[in-house]
Amino acid sequence: AQKITQTQPGMFVQEKEAVTLDCTYDTSDQSYGLFWYKQPSSGEMIFLIYQGSYDEQNATEGRYSLNFQKARKSANLVISASQLGDSAMYFCAMSLGYSSASKIIFGSGTRLSIRP
Amino acid sequence: GAVVSQHPSRVICKSGTSVKIECRSLDFQATTMFWYRQFPKQSLMLMATSNEGSKATYEQGVEKDKFLINHASLTLSTLTVTSAHPEDSSFYICSARSGQGARGYTFGSGTRLTVV
Repeated sequence: AQKITQTQPGMFVQEKEAVTLDCTYDTSDQSYGLFWYKQPSSGEMIFLIYQGSYDEQNATEGRYSLNFQKARKSANLVISASQLGDSAMYFCAMSLGYSSASKIIFGSGTRLSIRP
Repeated sequence: GAVVSQHPSRVICKSGTSVKIECRSLDFQATTMFWYRQFPKQSLMLMATSNEGSKATYEQGVEKDKFLINHASLTLSTLTVTSAHPEDSSFYICSARSGQGARGYTFGSGTRLTVV
């Protein structure tokens, strides 16, 4: 069965430090996508970064990078130079397949708090 | 970029009444939309996949007769919570495939439902 696991319910990080949020996944499919979303208290889902299962290079989007370890089935999010505005809930997610009907499943989330 | 408009953002209803939530894709056609439910401090749980012109596909454990989904056009999907009870109080959020390749999922801003 497909599953996303986030083992860090909460994290505290000092402003300007880098932080790594852990994510492992389980699927028997060869084609899948991995996502990270940020959810502030307002509830909106903000897309951060995407990694396809066939992508050989780790994805990067500004201060966000995804450490993709396919053999270990891990897709950790690295935020460099954290800012106070980074405080939010972070969800790792996986799309099952690449078709237009491919659904996304989510991990349990990590609440990140940035200390000034 | 792709935008999904979700309304209402907040609704309070009396127990036993029905509530309709709309998700509309503003600048693209969405053949598939997804409906999620999120309890406080928990993850997003997929409820159903909404397909334009056909019946929705519900996840295991989701009551079809309670959560009615209609996807009558390529830009509009609705979720109706019928005979709502306090335990249906939750955050409901929709997502649509926005045609931006494998990473193209756009989320609505969510609806916070409170049943009193």
